Amino acid sequence: QKEVEQDPGPLSVPEGAIVSLNCTYSNSAFQYFMWYRQYSRKGPELLMYTYSSGNKEDGRFTAQVDKSSKYISLFIRDSQPSDSATYLCAMMDRNTGKLIFGQGTTLQVKP
Amino acid sequence: GAVVSQHPSWVICKSGTSVKIECRSLDFQATTMFWYRQFPKQSLMLMATSNEGSKATYEQGVEKDKFLINHASLTLSTLTVTSAHPEDSSFYICSARTAEGLAGEYEQYFGPGTRLTVT
Repeated sequence: QKEVEQDPGPLSVPEGAIVSLNCTYSNSAFQYFMWYRQYSRKGPELLMYTYSSGNKEDGRFTAQVDKSSKYISLFIRDSQPSDSATYLCAMMDRNTGKLIFGQGTTLQVKP
Repeated sequence: GAVVSQHPSWVICKSGTSVKIECRSLDFQATTMFWYRQFPKQSLMLMATSNEGSKATYEQGVEKDKFLINHASLTLSTLTVTSAHPEDSSFYICSARTAEGLAGEYEQYFGPGTRLTVT
């Protein structure tokens, strides 16, 4: 079993839809939770990071962490074609300091 | 967010030659930098962790003599692929981590990546 599970998709939605991306994890040592966006042939771009259970909002993006369920989510409101990319969840192991990545979910927002 | 640069963005080299990739944190100091490798449609695979002024720590299965890492300053780390072979062709991405925040948190930023093709 992988430490971080993320559905690779692809996920296709119409423009303006609310997108929900999710990851589950099994390691209780994961301390910080991040979401990255990666366009094709580019490096990952940090979108959001949280380190406690609850919600964190930034513009059209909301990151949600539920440590009791070991479940994190990223919501994108009013999705745009420019949001089409691969979204990677990542978690930092407090024991090793390393980021563990999910497989990434490919999102396509159709105009 | 913080900016991490990589150079070159794309390189083609002949089998048997060596290639150096530079990673710089432009607006912050990074005591810890990381090197990843990514194959098409796959997630990032950590190769090594680089701490300024000390030897890099390599992940299991990564040849330290083949992938030489130097972290000479708080803003620069280099990865040298020695005696490159076609199977080394990949997308190499560096990452730099900020200093610990007030709440004990870190942020980790990635460079734009270097696409290496070995012919």
